[in-house]
Amino acid sequence: AQKVTQAQTEISVVEKEDVTLDCVYETRDTTYYLFWYKQPPSGELVFLIRRNSFDEQNEISGRYSWNFQKSTSSFNFTITASQVVDSAVYFCALSMRGAQKLVFGQGTRLTINP
Amino acid sequence: DAGVIQSPRHEVTEMGQEVTLRCKPISGHDYLFWYRQTMMRGLELLIYFNNNVPIDDSGMPEDRFSAKMPNASFSTLKIQPSEPRDSAVYFCASSLAAYETQYFGPGTRLLVL
Repeated sequence: AQKVTQAQTEISVVEKEDVTLDCVYETRDTTYYLFWYKQPPSGELVFLIRRNSFDEQNEISGRYSWNFQKSTSSFNFTITASQVVDSAVYFCALSMRGAQKLVFGQGTRLTINP
Repeated sequence: DAGVIQSPRHEVTEMGQEVTLRCKPISGHDYLFWYRQTMMRGLELLIYFNNNVPIDDSGMPEDRFSAKMPNASFSTLKIQPSEPRDSAVYFCASSLAAYETQYFGPGTRLLVL
């Protein structure tokens, strides 16, 4: 079975702090894809990153960085120097070869306080 | 470039009424997905199409739900008759090809009274 677990239901930090959102996934497939999406208060789902299972390189995009570790089945997301505009619900998702659907975690609600 | 377009953005209806949600995918995208988001179940796939053909509808809750894609630029999700437990946000998403990133529309917030 495929499953994504985001154990942190809610996180609250003060602006400029660094924050890491955890994502642990389960799959028996050797080929799979991992995603992060952001859902701001306005409700839309915004794509942030896609990673395939053969690419374990970490990625940095501005204040955002992602750490993919197959050994621990984790795909964690770090925001450096957080800003109030980062406040949103963040979803980690998984899709497998042979199945197009995205399996989403339950999401982590991140609140950045000024 | 225009993203995925959904209409209406909000729908309030009474139990028993027919509801039709609409979606226009990103031009050139071969895959179209319908998801539902609820507090209890989170985000779950209802159905997806490839080149206008339904491929997997195993997530459709029951016969009251139906989806069509008459052409590459338009899809509908219909609920008939609607029930209060259908209240949710319904998202449409599209992707260029298999296993590529799915881009989501703004969603339709449905409330069935």
